[in-house]
Amino acid sequence: DGGITQSPKYLFRKEGQNVTLSCEQNLNHDAMYWYRQDPGQGLRLIYYSQIVNDFQKGDIAEGYSVSREKKESFPLTVTSAQKNPTAFYLCASSMGQEKLFFGSGTQLSVL
Amino acid sequence: QKEVEQDPGPLSVPEGAIVSLNCTYSNSAFQYFMWYRQYSRKGPELLMYTYSSGNKEDGRFTAQVDKSSKYISLFIRDSQPSDSATYLCAMSATGNTPLVFGKGTRLSVIA
Repeated sequence: DGGITQSPKYLFRKEGQNVTLSCEQNLNHDAMYWYRQDPGQGLRLIYYSQIVNDFQKGDIAEGYSVSREKKESFPLTVTSAQKNPTAFYLCASSMGQEKLFFGSGTQLSVL
Repeated sequence: QKEVEQDPGPLSVPEGAIVSLNCTYSNSAFQYFMWYRQYSRKGPELLMYTYSSGNKEDGRFTAQVDKSSKYISLFIRDSQPSDSATYLCAMSATGNTPLVFGKGTRLSVIA
């Protein structure tokens, strides 16, 4: 089945720790995105990548980093510089900019 | 003024009611308009996609775009308890501009 796989479903971070969220797609989509969702805040764009080895900052990139070494994979690292990381993180992919297909999300919490 | 405004609700209706969900926007360059449905703690799924102005119907769902008023709507006929979810509007301009999302409206359909 084609789709977007995010893992893990739940993740806990200790203070000062970096954690990495995985996102893999087998839809052969060129573009991939990371969004953060807080209660009542909608979706906010963290980073996006339109081709391999290239990515752009979104609206709230501070404290996050990404890589795009393969077309299928777009991992997100939440660094210790992100002081308020508790949120629901969503990965998405698309062929163009319009129709996004989302993964099932990762809930990140701070211990 | 935010680029996309969406009433967060919550909106509660009886089963069988007609539901109207709306978004307004400020960027006249937006040409692609979408509605996503998100069940609790799941990734959003694309419900309706419209390019430019006009109406689009798909089963019980109708999407309307009025570019002159910068206003989009989603109508749900004969609403069902399974329609209970958060509905997010999203839009983009042409080119390489990422989607901009509304904050989402939480809908409950009561049996």
